[in-house]
Amino acid sequence: AQSVTQLDSHVSVSEGTPVLLRCNYSSSYSPSLFWYVQHPNKGLQLLLKYTSAATLVKGINGFEAEFKKSETSFHLTKPSAHMSDAAEYFCVVSDSGGGADGLTFGKGTHLIIQP
Amino acid sequence: DGGITQSPKYLFRKEGQNVTLSCEQNLNHDAMYWYRQDPGQGLRLIYYSQIVNDFQKGDIAEGYSVSREKKESFPLTVTSAQKNPTAFYLCAGCSGRDQETQYFGPGTRLLVL
Repeated sequence: AQSVTQLDSHVSVSEGTPVLLRCNYSSSYSPSLFWYVQHPNKGLQLLLKYTSAATLVKGINGFEAEFKKSETSFHLTKPSAHMSDAAEYFCVVSDSGGGADGLTFGKGTHLIIQP
Repeated sequence: DGGITQSPKYLFRKEGQNVTLSCEQNLNHDAMYWYRQDPGQGLRLIYYSQIVNDFQKGDIAEGYSVSREKKESFPLTVTSAQKNPTAFYLCAGCSGRDQETQYFGPGTRLLVL
């Protein structure tokens, strides 16, 4: 069985400061891990994906995430927040190697950017 | 939106009425999925289909039905048996060698009158 926990339901940062969104997972196998972003009333957009290659994954819009197996974490970071980053972020784990029922979504972290 | 279109953007349902949400894709996705999103609960899988004329129940299939008569289309019907249908509904697809990465449509918000 797999699960994913997003440790913060809300994160607030000032524009231009670093962003850290935390995600911990549990998985019986070697998982694939994803971060998606959702702007209000929109669908989810893929930010980045980890699949057992490099542990530091670079995504779109300056985001990156580091896979740490010893800590079972996959935290999302960005060096400098922009107002357009304000959105909901979802951490997702897959350990089935494919198949629709293999994905488990976190409950989301709402990122607020203060001007 | 990964080549996935959903319509309408907003849909209103009266008590006892069935309504159908449209999901169309033009990227030759083999597999398609329907999710329900409620505030603070993430996404929950309703139904999915990996090939034409075949589909499987997800975690919360009760009160919903789907069809997959064409590869491009995967409509979701919210039946009168679904007593709490108010939610944001998302359709997704994936294909090819990467069967894990899903691409999402823009969503349909269903409201009950």
